[in-house]
Parts: sequence; C-alpha cells; structure tokens
Amino acid sequence: SQKIEQNSEALNIQEGKTATLTCNYTNYSPAYLQWYRQDPGRGPVFLLLIRENEKEKRKERLKVTFDTTLKQSLFHITASQPADSATYLCALSNSGYSTLTFGKGTMLLVSP
Amino acid sequence: GAVVSQHPSRVICKSGTSVKIECRSLDFQATTMFWYRQFPKQSLMLMATSNEGSKATYEQGVEKDKFLINHASLTLSTLTVTSAHPEDSSFYICSGSVADRGNYGYTFGSGTRLTVV
Repeated sequence: SQKIEQNSEALNIQEGKTATLTCNYTNYSPAYLQWYRQDPGRGPVFLLLIRENEKEKRKERLKVTFDTTLKQSLFHITASQPADSATYLCALSNSGYSTLTFGKGTMLLVSP
Repeated sequence: GAVVSQHPSRVICKSGTSVKIECRSLDFQATTMFWYRQFPKQSLMLMATSNEGSKATYEQGVEKDKFLINHASLTLSTLTVTSAHPEDSSFYICSGSVADRGNYGYTFGSGTRLTVV
C-alpha cells in the first residue's frame, strides 16, 4: 500500500537557520507533490506544488526538491523565523486535482 | 485567492444526536469538495469526495449512512454526522477544488472540532 513518511520527531532550530524537512514515499509514483502548513486547530494552507518532471521549485524563502528516483522530497525554509513554527504536511496526488494522500506531518519549532 | 469558509469551528454534542458541518467556497465555484478527518498527531484521512449535483464517493471503511454529504450547489457542501458517538470525536476539514486550480493546490476550510459526549 502507499506509504508517506515524514520526520516524526519535531525539528527544533534556531532563528535564522535553514530548516530542512523530509518526505519519503513508497509504492507510489505521484505526478504531483505538495507541501502544506498546518497550525494547531486550523486547516492546512497550501505552500508549494512541484510536478514529477520538475527538480526544484522556489517561492520566497521556501524551496522544494523532488527526486522521483529516490522517491523523496526535501522542503527548505531559509532564514527561519519563530512565525514559521507549525506542522508541515507533505501530500501526493496523481494529478493536479485528484485526491491527495497526506503524510503525518513534521512539527517545526523555531526558537528566537 | 480562493477561500473556503467552514462552520462551525467547534461543536459539542450529545451521543445519538446529529451534527451538520458546512463548507462554502466564497470566491470560486467548487465543482469538487473533499472531506477529511484528522485525529491528534495523525495525518488527514480522506473520508469522501463529492461532486456538485451527484452522489459522494466514500473511502473504504467510511459509512455513507453515518456521514451524509450533500453538495447541492457549486458553493456549498455539507457533512452531517448522524447518530454521533464519542469515537466520532475528531477534527473534520473540507477542501475545495475547481477544474483549473490544479496548478495551485487545494483550498482548505479552517476545520471543525467535533466533541461527542
């Protein structure tokens, strides 16, 4: 069955450093990989989408890579800020608007 | 950007009663609406997919007679939890999708925390 793994342990980093979160998947060949931010008691907020034929995507301080050979995506937040503290979810889909399969998410804590 | 408004944000109900959760797309027409459930420290689990004007498609293990979904218009979808039990207590989230939004991800509601006592 399809499986998505994200770091289960919370990631603690200091303000100003780069946070790197990992998403690994098995038994799946997704056409799209998305990253979402979720704050406690709130719904996910879309951050970035990357397609299978794209290696890297950037948006402001965010960068996502997608390695279909390794079946892995890395999500980077540069110059991290305490306001970046949240849970980050990786989600896979077969098309741009088919159903999403989510990982459990990784909690990021940025300390001042 | 596209906004999905979800209400209520929190609801407490007694066992055996029914609860309705509403999701409205405010500035786009949601041809498809997805309903998820999330337990603490778990991932979002898809419950059902509804397309405007047709019956919802439920994921395996989700009881369609217990979780009634109505998507009667392009801007409103509702989820009714019937005869609620304490094990139905969870965080319910809807997500809107429209045909041309595939390049931009999905828009999620703010979620509904349901507590059944």
